[in-house]
Amino acid sequence: GQSLEQPSEVTAVEGAIVQINCTYQTSGFYGLSWYQQHDGGAPTFLSYNALDGLEETGRFSSFLSRSDSYGYLLLQELQMKDSASYFCAVGVDSSYKLIFGSGTRLLVRP
Amino acid sequence: DVKVTQSSRYLVKRTGEKVFLECVQDMDHENMFWYRQDPGLGLRLIYFSYDVKMKEKGDIPEGYSVSREKKERFSLILESASTNQTSMYLCASSPGPIYGYTFGSGTRLTVV
Repeated sequence: GQSLEQPSEVTAVEGAIVQINCTYQTSGFYGLSWYQQHDGGAPTFLSYNALDGLEETGRFSSFLSRSDSYGYLLLQELQMKDSASYFCAVGVDSSYKLIFGSGTRLLVRP
Repeated sequence: DVKVTQSSRYLVKRTGEKVFLECVQDMDHENMFWYRQDPGLGLRLIYFSYDVKMKEKGDIPEGYSVSREKKERFSLILESASTNQTSMYLCASSPGPIYGYTFGSGTRLTVV
């Protein structure tokens, strides 16, 4: 089967840095993506990694190690508005379909 | 601004009813997807389509079917609604993985 593992919940303080990990076991690998979802909202696309290394987009960075089947999302200078659920997702074949993890709920405290 | 529009935000249906969930995108994307989202289970793929009249089963297609007669519209059909199909249904479209999915705002379906 296919599985993605990520922590169910993470708490951090405003202004701090937090890392959300994702490990995957899938039949194929066509990139790791991250999505953010606020309560009551739709998931929104944050980042995509096809190759090993770090991709930076403003306060958010995403890392991939294909040899370890592992990636993470790094959020810097946390703001209250970053409180949301974060999902990692893996493309498992060339069809563009994604398999999602069960999500990490991030709570940012003042 | 690009958009994926789902026809209903909330829907209540009776067991056994045939239910249609509509999704329209204005981005000319070839790939469209239907997921359901349940607490603790993340998003699970029901069906997807990579072209007009083309469809493929996802991980949980049982009890569902889909229709894609036009590029911009992808419909999810619950043939005979059951209580275990109570869920949030999310439609998405995408031109390719590096651009990510654009999701609709979801339809919260309750089957009673």
